[in-house]
Amino acid sequence: GAVVSQHPSWVICKSGTSVKIECRSLDFQATTMFWYRQFPKQSLMLMATSNEGSKATYEQGVEKDKFLINHASLTLSTLTVTSAHPEDSSFYICSADPRASGRASYNEQFFGPGTRLTVL
Amino acid sequence: DQQVKQNSPSLSVQEGRISILNCDYTNSMFDYFLWYKKYPAEGPTFLISISSIKDKNEDGRFTVFLNKSAKHLSLHIVPSQPGDSAVYFCAASTTSGTYKYIFGTGTRLKVLA
Repeated sequence: GAVVSQHPSWVICKSGTSVKIECRSLDFQATTMFWYRQFPKQSLMLMATSNEGSKATYEQGVEKDKFLINHASLTLSTLTVTSAHPEDSSFYICSADPRASGRASYNEQFFGPGTRLTVL
Repeated sequence: DQQVKQNSPSLSVQEGRISILNCDYTNSMFDYFLWYKKYPAEGPTFLISISSIKDKNEDGRFTVFLNKSAKHLSLHIVPSQPGDSAVYFCAASTTSGTYKYIFGTGTRLKVLA
């Protein structure tokens, strides 16, 4: 299958600071990536769709000024949590869809390993 | 409004027996469904999928059944193995448009040795 990486795998930061999380598709190009967050024992909630070369599309209730998404290349999307607060502590997961890049051999999204964010 | 639901938060099954995980959806526009397996602090890994033009798809020990009229799908694992113990999420999407997934609430499967 296709490989997606995330960096860092875990981060601890002070309240009020900003944190950047990277999502990379390692062996395919992804014009579309997705960002999710998961609270303990809950489902994966889609936050936004990251589109290469254009603005991200945010789901209802997600603050776009709080969660900045940049998809500057076909293999990299970044999520920046600005002015982080303890309630932003969560597990953030990205995924990439090879189909969006014309790689029709796969019909599913591939997920990164996730990033655990803890805001003190 | 939870468009995709998994009403059983947990399930315990004896090794060698069948595990049946269920998923219900409300949006009739969904036409592609997937099952993912997830371990704590890891990303989900793809298991099996099914298109709405089918009612069954099989891959080794995993079979997914789709009942469009009931807006219900299920994942059968047989025989169940201890290594199958994980959280299982169903996901629904449309094959046109944004490719985005809506995930269910998850079912924690424990296979007892």
